[in-house]
Amino acid sequence: QQQVRQSPQSLTVWEGETAILNCSYENSAFDYFPWYQQFPGEGPALLISILSVSDKKEDGRFTIFFNKREKKLSLHIADSQPGDSATYFCAASPGGYKVVFGSGTRLLVSP
Amino acid sequence: DPKIIQKPKYLVAVTGSEKILICEQYLGHNAMYWYRQSAKKPLEFMFSYSYQKLMDNQTASSRFQPQSSKKNHLDLQITALKPDDSATYFCASSQEGLGTLYFGAGTRLSVL
Repeated sequence: QQQVRQSPQSLTVWEGETAILNCSYENSAFDYFPWYQQFPGEGPALLISILSVSDKKEDGRFTIFFNKREKKLSLHIADSQPGDSATYFCAASPGGYKVVFGSGTRLLVSP
Repeated sequence: DPKIIQKPKYLVAVTGSEKILICEQYLGHNAMYWYRQSAKKPLEFMFSYSYQKLMDNQTASSRFQPQSSKKNHLDLQITALKPDDSATYFCASSQEGLGTLYFGAGTRLSVL
């Protein structure tokens, strides 16, 4: 049972373009949605997060758009840089001690 | 300096053997977790502990046993190892119930 779905599985953009990573979920109890960035050989690291009471969260070049009614969210990476090349995980939590991760989107930014 | 220390970084084991994966966190967090990452199931939740007590267990097999000797330690004992157990095991921690996880660098386990 996959509670958090991500698409696309992989994405290639040119440097300077906006990368759009999509995520959807099934459990209405989820109210916290962090995005994690993972580089090869490292553990995931929190990039940006949003609570379900908000519909948008910005942090520099990174923006989350959240649609509670449709149970969808997306991560937009503006002005993509080669250093942004990594795997991005959408996650969801109902609070408490469990965070469920999607299968990830592998982003490649070509110079 | 890394705030979550996982040892060893790489581990090779033979089928049927037993190994212990070590995790220590120095972030002052009360909750600790184990996740497993493989090509088949990226970032699969295994266990969560808070104040050294088991909060959630999503691992069907009893071959996986967390061990918490101190509040900032959560080791993972794996018995009767199988090739299917080959994966990278990540330890993580968080402030109690806040959902933001901080991950270690992982232990890459290969079972031959």
